[in-house]
Amino acid sequence: DAGVIQSPRHEVTEMGQEVTLRCKPISGHNSLFWYRQTMMRGLELLIYFNNNVPIDDSGMPEDRFSAKMPNASFSTLKIQPSEPRDSAVYFCASSRGQAWGGYTFGSGTRLTVV
Amino acid sequence: AQSVTQLDSQVPVFEEAPVELRCNYSSSVSVYLFWYVQYPNQGLQLLLKYLSGSTLVESINGFEAEFNKSQTSFHLRKPSVHISDTAEYFCAVSEMDSSYKLIFGSGTRLLVRP
Repeated sequence: DAGVIQSPRHEVTEMGQEVTLRCKPISGHNSLFWYRQTMMRGLELLIYFNNNVPIDDSGMPEDRFSAKMPNASFSTLKIQPSEPRDSAVYFCASSRGQAWGGYTFGSGTRLTVV
Repeated sequence: AQSVTQLDSQVPVFEEAPVELRCNYSSSVSVYLFWYVQYPNQGLQLLLKYLSGSTLVESINGFEAEFNKSQTSFHLRKPSVHISDTAEYFCAVSEMDSSYKLIFGSGTRLLVRP
């Protein structure tokens, strides 16, 4: 099992550009989560998918952020346009059903917007 | 609303000394409790969890945590730490009636010195 795979590992972009982060969850996991980690705010849940359907997107900061899960093996988080305050580490995690089973996190994408 | 408090942002300790990382939570319903560990430039990994039953839970690498309902705490302990335990430790809570969602504390950085 390769675990949760995120790409790219690092992304540096200019303010105003579109950024797309990618995630491949563990096969058989039907829940997928996007988190953002910053020094100031810690770990924040952005959005949760269950069986490819967005269930809770209350953590998405604003309309510049969007997430999709077209199938069980792929999800994207898009920021358009990007701003310097979006600089953070973005984690994708997946689980088989409920949280009590434990999430498996990817290694994260470190985004820097200059 | 549920919340998790980790009062210590950093805990320095000498190798082979005991350590306790504190975690308190607030919730109006029954909860599941977790500790995750994050090594540098990696995602979070599940260390141990409390779901039900014995209030003392253990990990494979010598950590243990005890659920104390009256004090709403879930402190993490290890009797003798190693240099390799240097990492960030996150306490997390999931409410049983909304059990897909994990709320994380702000993290405690454990720094083990030789």
